[in-house]
Amino acid sequence: AQSVTQLGSHVSVSEGALVLLRCNYSSSVPPYLFWYVQYPNQGLQLLLKYTTGATLVKGINGFEAEFKKSETSFHLTKPSAHMSDAAEYFCAALTANDYKLSFGAGTTVTVRA
Amino acid sequence: SAVISQKPSRDICQRGTSLTIQCQVDSQVTMMFWYRQQPGQSLTLIATANQGSEATYESGFVIDKFPISRPNLTFSTLTVSNMSPEDSSIYLCSVQGSGNYGYTFGSGTRLTVV
Repeated sequence: AQSVTQLGSHVSVSEGALVLLRCNYSSSVPPYLFWYVQYPNQGLQLLLKYTTGATLVKGINGFEAEFKKSETSFHLTKPSAHMSDAAEYFCAALTANDYKLSFGAGTTVTVRA
Repeated sequence: SAVISQKPSRDICQRGTSLTIQCQVDSQVTMMFWYRQQPGQSLTLIATANQGSEATYESGFVIDKFPISRPNLTFSTLTVSNMSPEDSSIYLCSVQGSGNYGYTFGSGTRLTVV
């Protein structure tokens, strides 16, 4: 199974500032990678995913992530934070031929006015 | 992607009792997954439920504590049995999307055991 590491359990940004959430995976075989967002008292919503092809993936709400095989990373970014981005963000990985998602520990994002 | 209806959305239960959580999917799916999210923690897979066979449980989870039913391709239930305060968590069901490896999650059941 994949191991997923999210650096930073809590990130605080100012409204309008860059949001950068870090995710690294452990595998010599590139997995399928996902970012999910969880708003308070809600389930998980898929932000974006990487399976194959273009390494820069664009998702919903202005988020994007870049798959870097050499760094085994899949960091999530958003150029300009909005108050509505305050939530918990989870990176997840899935190895081909497997069906179990492995989740990182999550990063809580707070946005300062 | 599939739409999942999960209920109840929340409940407060007495210790020693059981709660059954339901997940209804708007399309037929082969596998359904049940997760637990303890307060302030990430998601932990409890079990995988396939229609017509017994659920497959992950290490640390047993059928007597978390019995699962999967009577058809659109529905599953998870029961949390003989509850204790340590079972207070969010429980989520999930299904795998077809072809694109997108997983959809229910809105979760927030369980508090008192």
